[in-house]
Amino acid sequence: GQSLEQPSEVTAVEGAIVQINCTYQTSGFYGLSWYQQHDGGAPTFLSYNGLDGLEETGRFSSFLSRSDSYGYLLLQELQMKDSASYFCAVGQAGTALIFGKGTTLSVSS
Amino acid sequence: DAGVTQSPTHLIKTRGQQVTLRCSPKSGHDTVSWYQQALGQGPQFIFQYYEEEERQRGNFPDRFSGHQFPNYSSELNVNALLLGDSALYLCASSSLQGVRATGVNTEAFFGQGTRLTVV
Repeated sequence: GQSLEQPSEVTAVEGAIVQINCTYQTSGFYGLSWYQQHDGGAPTFLSYNGLDGLEETGRFSSFLSRSDSYGYLLLQELQMKDSASYFCAVGQAGTALIFGKGTTLSVSS
Repeated sequence: DAGVTQSPTHLIKTRGQQVTLRCSPKSGHDTVSWYQQALGQGPQFIFQYYEEEERQRGNFPDRFSGHQFPNYSSELNVNALLLGDSALYLCASSSLQGVRATGVNTEAFFGQGTRLTVV
């Protein structure tokens, strides 16, 4: 079977740094993707790691360790608009994406 | 440039009925994937279409079927609706040719989804 585990909820204040962890167990591996979804909205792509290491895109960074079947999304300088659900997903755009259940991030002032 | 568009946005159906959902991919994209997202859950992969053929399929019964047209748009059909089919149905488009040509992952673009309620 295939499964991804991530925390269900995370809370933080504006300006803080938050890390959302993701561990996965899958039969095939084509990289780890991260998506953001606001209530009632479409999931939007944040980051992709195909190889071990850190990928940085503005305030967001993502890390992957294939030997540990583990990755994380790091959000810096949190803003209220970052309140949303965050999903890790095994796969890439050319393959099926297998999503975790999502982490709800609540940012308060 | 229009992104991924889905229709309708909301739909209410009765158990046992059939439904067809539609998706137009982002311009330049050749691959369409369909996902089912229950409330409070992550999207679950239903199937993916490329070159008018089903390329991959997730763990969904045969009641779920699809089609891709020459213009890359796609339909998702669900027969004999059950109450448990109530969910947000998401369409995602991507460029498989782009991935193959460059070896670089291209992101999947999602539509706003169709909220299906089965009563």
